[in-house]
Amino acid sequence: QQPVQSPQAVILREGEDAVINCSSSKALYSVHWYRQKHGEAPVFLMILLKGGEQKGHEKISASFNEKKQQSSLYLTASQLSYSGTYFCGTGPVGSSNTGKLIFGQGTTLQVKP
Amino acid sequence: DARVTQTPRDKVTEMGQEVTMRCQPILGHNTVFWYRQTMMQGLELLAYFRNRAPLDDSGMPKDRFSAEMPDATLATLKIQPSEPRDSAVYFCASGLGHQETQYFGPGTRLLVL
Repeated sequence: QQPVQSPQAVILREGEDAVINCSSSKALYSVHWYRQKHGEAPVFLMILLKGGEQKGHEKISASFNEKKQQSSLYLTASQLSYSGTYFCGTGPVGSSNTGKLIFGQGTTLQVKP
Repeated sequence: DARVTQTPRDKVTEMGQEVTMRCQPILGHNTVFWYRQTMMQGLELLAYFRNRAPLDDSGMPKDRFSAEMPDATLATLKIQPSEPRDSAVYFCASGLGHQETQYFGPGTRLLVL
């Protein structure tokens, strides 16, 4: 039931790009993306509600392929501040009126100077 | 700047003791979530409330955990008796309506000896 994120960890140099994938075995109504820095609470990045929708937040964008039950997070020209653990939270079909999310295991991103 | 608050921030207790964690959701938010985060299991949903009514507590060990919302400004999570395997960071999150952003509190770091 838990969505699968890949890769588990990635190390980048400043300015490089990265893609984090989130795949579910269930039909999805929504995908939420969060970033958590060490010792802090998860912070909301974006929500995708429609299949094929792409959204952006600064130089971070995401897509949602409803048919494939997958979402991808794109980090462009990474900055040191992007370091942290990224979680996808999936809302299965049927959860549209509950808000219930199931979170992936997380992808740890480290950006080096 | 509206935020979710949680108390205590840190708690060290001995096995068998009762633990109570408190959460104050953002004013006006009608949905409250309790999560537990560990290295092994990641971010797990324990229970959540809509308009103070419990919607789902299937993620919670029923024999020792209980969650309540005595009023719209307070949610509580109790563990009685506590066990070492309960050691984790417990997050409260609040939101406004379904499929909306979840705002996480700073968490309560629990260590049961």
